[in-house]
Amino acid sequence: QVDLLQSGTEVKKPGASVKVSCKTSGYPFTNYFLHWVREAPGQGLEWMGFINPSNGRTTYAQKFQGRLTLTTDTSTSTGYMELTGLRFDDTAVFYCARMGRGLDNWGQGTVVTVSS
Amino acid sequence: DIQMTQSPSNLSASVGDRVTITCRASQNIDRWLAWYQHQPGKAPKFLIYEASILERGVPSRFSGSKSGPEFTLTISRLQPDDVATYYCQQYITYPWTFGQGTKVDVK
Repeated sequence: QVDLLQSGTEVKKPGASVKVSCKTSGYPFTNYFLHWVREAPGQGLEWMGFINPSNGRTTYAQKFQGRLTLTTDTSTSTGYMELTGLRFDDTAVFYCARMGRGLDNWGQGTVVTVSS
Repeated sequence: DIQMTQSPSNLSASVGDRVTITCRASQNIDRWLAWYQHQPGKAPKFLIYEASILERGVPSRFSGSKSGPEFTLTISRLQPDDVATYYCQQYITYPWTFGQGTKVDVK
């Protein structure tokens, strides 16, 4: 079955960077775009961007341009989300999700807390 | 960016009730709308795509529709397991955008 397994909780200081992994299994990794979505406390879902694992091409929300980098490792079917210049309001749960007919399979979420 | 507006923000209903959530886009998105269910502590669950097509495995009490510019998610008979926040999301153009969510609970 399709599974997306994300890395664990992170606590970072303002200005630091975080890199979250999303290890996929159960489907051909390069056949499906991988999206990233976050949910800040008390806020709704926010789309961040996506990567095409077959060629590495990315599209980012303007809000994250310059701070967000999405990459993949096709040898391990793993996606990565790196966010730099962390601010307090980047505290959120970050999700990876596979794009089928919609975002049809999601990782379990990674909590990232930005705290001094 | 396309703004997605959901209503209501919160609703409380009894088990067995019919529940309706609406979503409007700030510009034409044709039928490129999806619905998700998000329960606390869990990953969001994909329910409906292209406004009205039920994803495999989703209970048939969930349905989606479009009338003019308005999209609707209906739960025909609310169950205790349906307690969640529901989001609409447009995927006609980037950045994809979500509605602000509708929190559904059971009286």
